[in-house]
Amino acid sequence: SAVISQKPSRDICQRGTSLTIQCQVDSQVTMMFWYRQQPGQSLTLIATANQGSEATYESGFVIDKFPISRPNLTFSTLTVSNMSPEDSSIYLCSVALAGGGYEQFFGPGTRLTVL
Amino acid sequence: KNQVEQSPQSLIILEGKNCTLQCNYTVSPFSNLRWYKQDTGRGPVSLTIMTFSENTKSNGRYTATLDADTKQSSLHITASQLSDSASYICVVSENTDKLIFGTGTRLQVFP
Repeated sequence: SAVISQKPSRDICQRGTSLTIQCQVDSQVTMMFWYRQQPGQSLTLIATANQGSEATYESGFVIDKFPISRPNLTFSTLTVSNMSPEDSSIYLCSVALAGGGYEQFFGPGTRLTVL
Repeated sequence: KNQVEQSPQSLIILEGKNCTLQCNYTVSPFSNLRWYKQDTGRGPVSLTIMTFSENTKSNGRYTATLDADTKQSSLHITASQLSDSASYICVVSENTDKLIFGTGTRLQVFP
């Protein structure tokens, strides 16, 4: 298994500002992902964080709005840029282990409120 | 369009009772189906994972079933506890990495 931590756990931000969320894993992982969970909704994949190269974004999500970094196999950041109230969500980091079959593990999430 | 639908949307039961949650999917090609438990304010935690060849899998008081022919799955919770109060999410994978999430069933267990 993998132990995943996220910082911050929650934040309240003003419209037009940006927030960077950090994801730290206790072991090297092959795949890292970022999800968004809007209030009352299920999880939606934002992007796959690729180590050493640009992230792969899902339809509806762009790099200018959600820049992602992954400098090594245990760490990634997601930035929510130029925030609006519609960005209020829980943002979750998840990982898939090399040789771990189909298992994906999720972090505790970052609850973001934009005023 | 690949979809995962769950029912009921919400469920209230008394402590000690059993319950069954349903999941129907239209995902193709199918790789595996997972059930996750998500406590309020927390990330999802995996309960079971089943490939198309598996009909049932248990994890303690949680038993998942899968009928790949009818594309249906269920999660049965036995002798519910207050700590079972959470959202239960059915997730179907097209391949080993891409997951399609259901909207979840919100379960509340009362004493």
